[in-house]
Amino acid sequence: AQSVTQLGSHVSVSEGALVLLRCNYSSSVPPYLFWYVQYPNQGLQLLLKYTTGATLVKGINGFEAEFKKSETSFHLTKPSAHMSDAAEYFCAVSLYLSGNTPLVFGKGTRLSVIA
Amino acid sequence: DAGVIQSPRHEVTEMGQEVTLRCKPISGHDYLFWYRQTMMRGLELLIYFNNNVPIDDSGMPEDRFSAKMPNASFSTLKIQPSEPRDSAVYFCASINGLAYNEQFFGPGTRLTVL
Repeated sequence: AQSVTQLGSHVSVSEGALVLLRCNYSSSVPPYLFWYVQYPNQGLQLLLKYTTGATLVKGINGFEAEFKKSETSFHLTKPSAHMSDAAEYFCAVSLYLSGNTPLVFGKGTRLSVIA
Repeated sequence: DAGVIQSPRHEVTEMGQEVTLRCKPISGHDYLFWYRQTMMRGLELLIYFNNNVPIDDSGMPEDRFSAKMPNASFSTLKIQPSEPRDSAVYFCASINGLAYNEQFFGPGTRLTVL
C-alpha cells in the first residue's frame, strides 16, 4: 500500500526566503504525486502534480517540486516566500491516473511566513 | 462553474442527534469522495462513489455513518447518532475520472457535536 510522510508539521520562513517542504512516499509501483494547499477555512486546492515525464514539475504561485525516484521524495520548493503563501500544504500519492484509487494524503505541513 | 458545493458550512449539534451533510459535485464529474479532517488523524477518506455507486466504504468509521448518492449531482453523509468524537471538518471532492486524479474540493462542513 502507498503512504506519504511529510517531515515537519510546521515550517516557518522569513518573507523572501526559500521555502522547502519535504515529502517522502512509499509505493510498490510508480506513483503519481500531488501537492495541495489549504488556506484557512477553505478546501484543498491543487498546486501541482507529477504523473509521468519531466521530473521537475512547476505549479501555481511559483511553486515547483522534483520527483526523485532514488530518494522516494517529492519535495516542494519556492525561491522566495510571500506572506500570502502562509497555509497548510499536503502531499498526496495515487497509483492510478483515472481515480480508481483515491489519493492518500500526508498529515500536512503548516507554513508560516514572517515579515 | 460553481465548484463543489457543500452545505451547511457549519453545524453544531448535541450528542445523539442525527446530522446530514450535503454535497453537490461539479457537473460532469463521475467520482465523488467524502473525507474527514481532524488535528489528530489528518485527512481521512471515508467513502467514494463512481457513477453514483459506492466503490469503497472501508474508511467509514462505524455503522453510525452512512452515505448515499441518489444521482450524479447530489450526495449525503449522515451520522446517526452523533457523538463528540465525530467533531471534524468534512470535505467532499469530485473528479473527472480521466483528469489525472485532480480532485476538486468543496469548502467543507465544520461539525461540532456537543
